[in-house]
Amino acid sequence: QVQLQESGPGLVKPSETLSLTCIVSGGSISPYYWSWIRQPPGKGLEWIGFIYYNGDTLYSPSLRSRVAISVDTSKNQVSLKLNSVSAADTAVYYCAKGGRYSHDAMDVWGQGTTVTVSS
Amino acid sequence: DIQLTQSPSSLSASVGDRVTITCRASQTMSNYLNWYQQKPGKAPTLLIYAASSLQSGVPSRFSGSGSGTDFTLTINSLQPEDFGTYYCHQSDKAPRTFGQGTKVEF
Repeated sequence: QVQLQESGPGLVKPSETLSLTCIVSGGSISPYYWSWIRQPPGKGLEWIGFIYYNGDTLYSPSLRSRVAISVDTSKNQVSLKLNSVSAADTAVYYCAKGGRYSHDAMDVWGQGTTVTVSS
Repeated sequence: DIQLTQSPSSLSASVGDRVTITCRASQTMSNYLNWYQQKPGKAPTLLIYAASSLQSGVPSRFSGSGSGTDFTLTINSLQPEDFGTYYCHQSDKAPRTFGQGTKVEF
């Protein structure tokens, strides 16, 4: 059974870069889509973007200028970088596994990691 | 962008009730409409994909239906463990979007 574990700094200063890693265990990165989703405190879910195992990406237009998602098949991990962060980026960040096709639902989620943006 | 509007935003129900949650899309879409359940402090879990397909391991009291702009999640015979917040999500067009959530309380 595939399991996902997000990790990264829990506290990031304003204007700096948020960097998170999602380790995939119990399965392979290929040939699936991998998404990042975030949830601000007390609010709903926001899709950040996804990456295909071959490196193709699709990002939310609202974050596109600041976000980069990458994949390392040799390490079985997916990474998220979000630059120039502000308090509005404070959220629980989830990685999630999609299917073999871009329209597939996200069937496995990590437990999430909380990121606070504060000086 | 496809905006998804869920109704109601919250509901109170009793064990054994039939609960219906609606998700309305701002434009006609294909049946790439998914439903997730989230409990407090936990990650969402997939219940229904492609509008009406039950995810493996999900109890059969959950069902999904709909097409075009109107989609529905139904919980037959609500159980105590079904409390939480339910989100619809479209994987039809970019950018992917979520509904605002429906909180189910007892």
